[in-house]
Amino acid sequence: DSGVTQTPKHLITATGQRVTLRCSPRSGDLSVYWYQQSLDQGLQFLIQYYNGEERAKGNILERFSAQQFPDLHSELNLSSLELGDSALYFCASSSGVSQPQHFGDGTRLSIL
Amino acid sequence: QKEVEQDPGPLSVPEGAIVSLNCTYSNSAFQYFMWYRQYSRKGPELLMYTYSSGNKEDGRFTAQVDKSSKYISLFIRDSQPSDSATYLCAMSGETSGSRLTFGEGTQLTVNP
Repeated sequence: DSGVTQTPKHLITATGQRVTLRCSPRSGDLSVYWYQQSLDQGLQFLIQYYNGEERAKGNILERFSAQQFPDLHSELNLSSLELGDSALYFCASSSGVSQPQHFGDGTRLSIL
Repeated sequence: QKEVEQDPGPLSVPEGAIVSLNCTYSNSAFQYFMWYRQYSRKGPELLMYTYSSGNKEDGRFTAQVDKSSKYISLFIRDSQPSDSATYLCAMSGETSGSRLTFGEGTQLTVNP
């Protein structure tokens, strides 16, 4: 058990809808990262938050947004969903810059 | 060309074999090198974390980094059926911040 908790484990929804994925980092970790894993793209970095502030952005679509709350949990919001958004979304956390990242078990998003 | 190249396999070996997994990369700014193990329907689990060049050993696992050749390896000694999983290399560096850049993963099966 990595200590990173993601909910829900599986989400099934339709095109055009909006969903929220939730992540609780390991106790004491201030950094939260979101990654997308798809069959054709592999694991891709989306966005990083550190102690409530956005620190880095990767290949994150404008339809996607994230935030980190004062209790350090994070949410990834995906809107106007398209079939191609179907993927595994992972959250990771670390205690600081260049520290090892530990991953949750992900949310599997299926768009019908 | 991808920043990190990893042979996707699949790789099938008999129990007890020595397994060698490899990645090459093109970004000379990468300084931190990781190996993750991912079981089906689970998140990536950190196996090894190394900084710069050199070797690191942990039980049956040995990680090697050769920055001059931009080549990293993971060796698994006395492989077990429980080692059957997908192995992902990942890297980060000062210029990319804490974001991890992953290889596409090598699927390993250890046969009893």
